[in-house]
Amino acid sequence: QQQVKQSPQSLIVQKGGISIINCAYENTAFDYFPWYQQFPGKGPALLIAIRPDVSEKKEGRFTISFNKSAKQFSLHIMDSQPGDSATYFCAARLMAAGNKLTFGGGTRVLVKP
Amino acid sequence: GAGVSQSPSNKVTEKGKDVELRCDPISGHTALYWYRQSLGQGLEFLIYFQGNSAPDKSGLPSDRFSAERTGGSVSTLTIQRTQQEDSAVYLCASSPRLSYGYTFGSGTRLTVV
Repeated sequence: QQQVKQSPQSLIVQKGGISIINCAYENTAFDYFPWYQQFPGKGPALLIAIRPDVSEKKEGRFTISFNKSAKQFSLHIMDSQPGDSATYFCAARLMAAGNKLTFGGGTRVLVKP
Repeated sequence: GAGVSQSPSNKVTEKGKDVELRCDPISGHTALYWYRQSLGQGLEFLIYFQGNSAPDKSGLPSDRFSAERTGGSVSTLTIQRTQQEDSAVYLCASSPRLSYGYTFGSGTRLTVV
């Protein structure tokens, strides 16, 4: 019940296109869902996050869509740029377990110019 | 410092040797986390320190792994009798007590040969 499943493992998108990454979870007690962006040789950096009482959150070109009934959430990167090429991780937090996060397996995104 | 600092950035060790990995969190951050990232995989929780509370060690994979946090600041992750399967990037993160967001360091890449 602690797992977070992420797909696809990798995707290639043309500059200006939309990148979509999906995550699914089992434990309905998760209370916070962040997305992290990681460049090679660097640690992950918090990109955007959402709580389960909100269905959508947008920050610039990045949008999280959250479907509580389906236990799914997704990251949309609009107008994808070559600088967005990175690995993206979804995660979920269980309050009862402290502030530790359960991460998805990651999606490697390549934006072609 | 301005961010989470980890040292060394790279470590190559022989199988059976002990290694120590260091993490300097952001000043004032009371929570400190260790995660492990194997090649092409997601992040696996190892251990979590929050203030003066007993650490959450539930993610440590074996008794060869231990960690301490001195003076509520610097943390050291120790791996005894290293094995080849311990090869991974070890990431440290910190957060303010009441904040959800982590700030990760750049990690220590451990290679056991």
